[in-house]
Amino acid sequence: GAGVSQSPSNKVTEKGKDVELRCDPISGHTALYWYRQSLGQGLEFLIYFQGNSAPDKSGLPSDRFSAERTGGSVSTLTIQRTQQEDSAVYLCASSLEPGQTDTQYFGPGTRLTVL
Amino acid sequence: DAKTTQPPSMDCAEGRAANLPCNHSTISGNEYVYWYRQIHSQGPQYIIHGLKNNETNEMASLIITEDRKSSTLILPHATLRDTAVYYCIVSARMNRDDKIIFGKGTRLHILP
Repeated sequence: GAGVSQSPSNKVTEKGKDVELRCDPISGHTALYWYRQSLGQGLEFLIYFQGNSAPDKSGLPSDRFSAERTGGSVSTLTIQRTQQEDSAVYLCASSLEPGQTDTQYFGPGTRLTVL
Repeated sequence: DAKTTQPPSMDCAEGRAANLPCNHSTISGNEYVYWYRQIHSQGPQYIIHGLKNNETNEMASLIITEDRKSSTLILPHATLRDTAVYYCIVSARMNRDDKIIFGKGTRLHILP
């Protein structure tokens, strides 16, 4: 079946430009996560959506980062005024509603390069 | 912060059992132990999870100590394709607000 998909797979942008990264979770999954992984590092939690609840934004590194999830499905992570330190792989994951299972299914990621 | 402690790296000979340890001394009664792995340039992949009993599936076995303060992931016959970073995570399945936090994991090298 269809897994988590992310687009674009690669994004190269210039410093100061805005970027939007898209995540399509598995159909029926109510929880959606965004992570960031810099080269050679572990995963860094960014934001978590669960159903209609207010998102947990505690991992967002600055106010240049924002995310939304429309209709409880597709999510967009936006980075404004990108900086070189934003270069990383951005991973999205989805899972069934907590209480059923917390197994997260990850997408292939978007590799962001800020020049 | 991650609630688990893992060695940064390990080596294992191909065909041997790979035993990856994880300490989670502050684990709560309602928290499960999850293992994921991340092969180079791919997203993390779920392996196995357990609460207090040992678990086995087609990928691996999970051994949890009786006091639940540590666990071991066992890959019974490691192959070169098992070279990856392995993450041990604790999470409360029943807690809607408990997000999974990944630490730095263990980089496992399978040696030919």
